[in-house]
Amino acid sequence: EIVLTQSPATLSLSPGDRATLSCRASQYVGTYLAWYQQKPGQAPRLVIYEASKRAIGVPARFSGSGSGTDFTLTISSLEPEDFAVYYCQQRVNWLSFGGGTKVEIK
Amino acid sequence: QVRLQESGPGLVKPSGTLSLTCGVSGASISSNQWWTWVRQSPGKGLEWIGDVYHSGNADYNSSLKSRVTISVDKSKNHFSLRLTSVTAADTAVYYCATSADLMKYLHHWGPGTLVSVSS
Repeated sequence: EIVLTQSPATLSLSPGDRATLSCRASQYVGTYLAWYQQKPGQAPRLVIYEASKRAIGVPARFSGSGSGTDFTLTISSLEPEDFAVYYCQQRVNWLSFGGGTKVEIK
Repeated sequence: QVRLQESGPGLVKPSGTLSLTCGVSGASISSNQWWTWVRQSPGKGLEWIGDVYHSGNADYNSSLKSRVTISVDKSKNHFSLRLTSVTAADTAVYYCATSADLMKYLHHWGPGTLVSVSS
């Protein structure tokens, strides 16, 4: 089983700030990694797949990078609607999700 | 536009069987994509339950494999989840989701349905 560890658990930032979220895999996953955004009471939404590809309709301020075991989701300038919980997911060995990073308003 | 909608009982008794269906519109269940169930316990993260291809080939989370079955019904264009011997630990919001192709990234999600296990 591939375990995904996300850090930090909580990120307290202000609108306009840059957000940097980390996801580390316990085994090599190549670029087979996705990021999801989830707001309270809503289903998750795919943001990034294949480590760096933006899903349809996702603003350009979202970017993903990394390969192997270390990955980063960057939000270049936080908008009010970006405050949410973000999960990473791998698809190499079945599917698994990280524990999430909450991006909250400071 | 692919739309998914979960349906099924919101309350299941302990030791009973949880059964949910995911109705699909805007896509054929026979398309080359995976049909997936994910759950989220209250206040917790996401847990992959398993997924199925239109051929009936299914993959399951090893921690649930002995209790779970995911199947497709091509005539009704939906897929289903069956989880047996449920306990309070199975209380969660259950989501159905799908990839856009054979790569298991979940592009489309249903709104989710809360299933509580209680007597």
